[in-house]
Amino acid sequence: DAGVIQSPRHEVTEMGQEVTLRCKPISGHNSLFWYRQTMMRGLELLIYFNNNVPIDDSGMPEDRFSAKMPNASFSTLKIQPSEPRDSAVYFCASSLSAASYEQYFGPGTRLTVT
Amino acid sequence: GNSVTQMEGPVTLSEEAFLTINCTYTATGYPSLFWYVQYPGEGLQLLLKATKADDKGSNKGFEATYRKETTSFHLEKGSVQVSDSAVYFCALSESNTDKLIFGTGTRLQVFP
Repeated sequence: DAGVIQSPRHEVTEMGQEVTLRCKPISGHNSLFWYRQTMMRGLELLIYFNNNVPIDDSGMPEDRFSAKMPNASFSTLKIQPSEPRDSAVYFCASSLSAASYEQYFGPGTRLTVT
Repeated sequence: GNSVTQMEGPVTLSEEAFLTINCTYTATGYPSLFWYVQYPGEGLQLLLKATKADDKGSNKGFEATYRKETTSFHLEKGSVQVSDSAVYFCALSESNTDKLIFGTGTRLQVFP
């Protein structure tokens, strides 16, 4: 299996622009997680889905952030409008729901907002 | 609520030294416990896990034992290598959800 796939790997954008991050989970996994990692705040869970349904979005920082999972093999995290404080590495992870709790992480997208 | 506390880093060691990274937890019920490793520029990878009290997880020379009486899951390795330099995260499963609660991470630096 190719593992969790994220794109793009790097994104540089200007403040105010819309940013869309993409994730393809491991085939057969039915839970998907979006995390943000910064030096100041560490690793933060933003939102997670189970069977394509958002279960817990309490970590989404504000309304500028939204996430969707239209099918079992694709998810997006959108920031509109972006701000410099959104600069971080965003990780997607997937797992077999409730089976073992093991989460498999993608390589991350490094976002820089100038 | 559930939480994980890790020792602050960085931990700096010479090659072949013994490693301990402390992790304690607070949880209701009987969580599973995990150690993840993050190499520079990469995502987190599962290193080892333990699902019940007294279980020992092991992988690549690393070990950790689930100690319910001390609510701990300390990571150990008898002889570290330069290639072990990374950030190590302790985590626990949260009951009735699919979520993991992560610690803040401990950076390990191994010098030749």
